[in-house]
Amino acid sequence: NAGVMQNPRHLVRRRGQEARLRCSPMKGHSHVYWYRQLPEEGLKFMVYLQKENIIDESGMPKERFSAEFPKEGPSILRIQQVVRGDSAAYFCASSPPFQSRTEAFFGQGTRLTVV
Amino acid sequence: KNEVEQSPQNLTAQEGEFITINCSYSVGISALHWLQQHPGGGIVSLFMLSSGKKKHGRLIATINIQEKHSSLHITASHPRDSAVYICAVRSGRYGNKLVFGAGTILRVKS
Repeated sequence: NAGVMQNPRHLVRRRGQEARLRCSPMKGHSHVYWYRQLPEEGLKFMVYLQKENIIDESGMPKERFSAEFPKEGPSILRIQQVVRGDSAAYFCASSPPFQSRTEAFFGQGTRLTVV
Repeated sequence: KNEVEQSPQNLTAQEGEFITINCSYSVGISALHWLQQHPGGGIVSLFMLSSGKKKHGRLIATINIQEKHSSLHITASHPRDSAVYICAVRSGRYGNKLVFGAGTILRVKS
């Protein structure tokens, strides 16, 4: 049973390009969370999704950022027209339904560098 | 004031020392997690607590629900324990997402 899989592990984009980060949850998990870790800062919640539905996007910047978790395939975090301030580590975590007392399962993260 | 406060921010210890990292939070929670992150690495879950105490190898985690406080202890510390240790809480108040402390940077010298 593979853990939470994120790809790519490292992503370099020029300013103005688009970044697509992928997250495949653990088998049997239908809920996905995205978190961002800015340099020298702690982890911050971005968005919580279940299949075909956004549950909570209160941590997502209002512009340029979007997330989806389709019925088939991985969850995608998309950043349009990237800027240097988007450089960060982006972590995905997954959980089964009724997750209030479940372990936290994280991916290895995607380290985005905007040049 | 952050919802989750950790102390200390930085900690340097000599190999073999007993280490304690503290975490305080401000709302009722359903679970508290201790996480470990090595430089440039992923995030590994060490413990999930909703009450009492858990032990895994040289690591011990305790939680006091009434005082809204948890501690992570490392006995007989080793240089490979050097990492960032992060406390995170899950609460219905936050919509069941994790809210994180700022992390404690631990360096164990040989």
